[in-house]
Amino acid sequence: EVQLVESGGGLVQSGGSLRLSCAASGFRFSNYAMSWVRQAPGKGLEWVSGISGSGSSTHYADSVKGRFTISRDNFKNTFYLQMNTLRADDTAVYYCTKGSDVVLPAAQFDYWGQGTLVTVSS
Amino acid sequence: SYVLTQPPSVSVAPGKTASITCEGNNIGRKSVHWYQQKPGQAPVLVIYLDSDRPSGIPERFSGSNSGNTATLTISRVEAGDEADYYCQVWDVNSDHVVFGGGTKLAVL
Repeated sequence: EVQLVESGGGLVQSGGSLRLSCAASGFRFSNYAMSWVRQAPGKGLEWVSGISGSGSSTHYADSVKGRFTISRDNFKNTFYLQMNTLRADDTAVYYCTKGSDVVLPAAQFDYWGQGTLVTVSS
Repeated sequence: SYVLTQPPSVSVAPGKTASITCEGNNIGRKSVHWYQQKPGQAPVLVIYLDSDRPSGIPERFSGSNSGNTATLTISRVEAGDEADYYCQVWDVNSDHVVFGGGTKLAVL
């Protein structure tokens, strides 16, 4: 059974940093791209960042490029989102998602975690 | 950047057919995926690659994609189908995943 468990969310002041983790199980982790998708309170889904199965290819939404860094550890079956210079508009539930393919462009998000809330206070 | 436009809401009576559209420039040339999100829950993939259904998704859910419009169709709508629905594509020009703004399906 595929499981994705996020951790690391919480309350942080504007300008601060936070690191999210997503522990994956139930599939061969290195064979699949992974992404972070967020949802601000009462709003729609917004893709944040994605990483290929090997970790060699990363992609970022314009709204977070230069502030957030995605990475993965295929030995630990875990991937991460380092979030720096956080702003109030980064407040959202952050979902980790499994892609259906090793590279992001070819992948739909076939499994989602339950999400972790990040609140940035101004 | 590539934009996907969905109607904010669609209403349908139980047992009828609901159609949720997703408009984008030449979207017919892209692969479209659809997600269902119920209140307080994570999204669930209901249609991928325009018209394929993941295992466990009822046959009542179907998809099509042509020209500038992709459509999610839900036949014989049930109360349990009430949710927000999002379309999603990959934009090769920006190397970005793009979501539509979402459509709230209300079952009357």
